[in-house]
Amino acid sequence: DGGITQSPKYLFRKEGQNVTLSCEQNLNHDAMYWYRQDPGQGLRLIYYSQIVNDFQKGDIAEGYSVSREKKESFPLTVTSAQKNPTAFYLCASKLAGGTGELFFGEGSRLTVL
Amino acid sequence: AQKITQTQPGMFVQEKEAVTLDCTYDTSDQSYGLFWYKQPSSGEMIFLIYQGSYDEQNATEGRYSLNFQKARKSANLVISASQLGDSAMYFCAESYYSNDYKLSFGAGTTVTVRA
Repeated sequence: DGGITQSPKYLFRKEGQNVTLSCEQNLNHDAMYWYRQDPGQGLRLIYYSQIVNDFQKGDIAEGYSVSREKKESFPLTVTSAQKNPTAFYLCASKLAGGTGELFFGEGSRLTVL
Repeated sequence: AQKITQTQPGMFVQEKEAVTLDCTYDTSDQSYGLFWYKQPSSGEMIFLIYQGSYDEQNATEGRYSLNFQKARKSANLVISASQLGDSAMYFCAESYYSNDYKLSFGAGTTVTVRA
């Protein structure tokens, strides 16, 4: 079945450590996105990529990094520079261009101890 | 920055009744899309309904309908015949050309359906 797979679902990290969240899609979508969600709040855009080997900062990119070496994959690294990384992270994808629907993964919940 | 506003943080509705969730947007683009997503406590985001700016008819999907009032820049979601499984957080979102068609989300409305 086509979809978006995020891993791990739950992740614990010590302060000062970098952590990478995986996002893989087999929908043949060109555009991929990373959102952060804090408890009881809406989604905020971290980074997005509309084509392989290219990506742009979203509204809250500081302390995060991404890569897009393959169409199917868009991993997010939460670096030690991110001051408050505990959150729920959602990866999504859509067809490039136009007002198309966004398809989401099931999310990764990161807790910094 | 363009903004999506959902003014109702939380709502209670009786089972089998209808509920309306408010959403206003402020894009000045002519071509844009409006979306509603449902997020149950499990965290997944479930697409419910879409309205294009050029669509003359209000969108409907089963028990969901979108009350699109373009002049007022409002895109309210109506859920008819509420069910206990409708209890969730609901997000309104917009996407438009001058923003690379990225989806921007409102703060959400929590709906609790009472038996």
